Amino acid sequence: GAVVSQHPSRVICKSGTSVKIECRSLDFQATTMFWYRQFPKQSLMLMATSNEGSKATYEQGVEKDKFLINHASLTLSTLTVTSAHPEDSSFYICSAREGAEAFFGQGTRLTVV
Amino acid sequence: QKEVEQDPGPLSVPEGAIVSLNCTYSNSAFQYFMWYRQYSRKGPELLMYTYSSGNKEDGRFTAQVDKSSKYISLFIRDSQPSDSATYLCAMSQNNNDMRFGAGTRLTVKP
Repeated sequence: GAVVSQHPSRVICKSGTSVKIECRSLDFQATTMFWYRQFPKQSLMLMATSNEGSKATYEQGVEKDKFLINHASLTLSTLTVTSAHPEDSSFYICSAREGAEAFFGQGTRLTVV
Repeated sequence: QKEVEQDPGPLSVPEGAIVSLNCTYSNSAFQYFMWYRQYSRKGPELLMYTYSSGNKEDGRFTAQVDKSSKYISLFIRDSQPSDSATYLCAMSQNNNDMRFGAGTRLTVKP
């Protein structure tokens, strides 16, 4: 199957700082990528849909100014958690579609201290 | 009512057992049905993909979709300890907006 690479896999940051997470489709082009958040023992919650060359579409309740998404090319989308707080600590996962199938990155464990 | 319901388990079976995982859903417009396997601290990995109703088999895995009952299943034959993971069902209407179940945590004991 297609490969989606997410980096970093783990990050610890201080409260108030910003963290950028990258999501790359390695062997295919993705006009649309998706960002999810997953709390322990819970399912994936869609945060936003990232569209190449245009603004992301955010799910209800997700702060667009806090979770900045940039999809500058067909193989790269970034999620920046701005002014991170401990409650932002979570597992963030990106996804990209190739045809009818969705493939996920390895996830990023964010811990805000 | 959640759009997708999945028993979170945990489910524990002996090695070699047949495992049955299930999800129910409320949105009759769902047409695409997926099963993902997620190991601890990793991203989900696509296992099975089915469009509309019917069965699909891939090795030890069989996916079934019953749209009339709004019920999907994943069967794992001859389960192995390496199958121990969380299994997530997912579905979408238009192949774009996916909704996930809560995930079932499976442990296969040697």
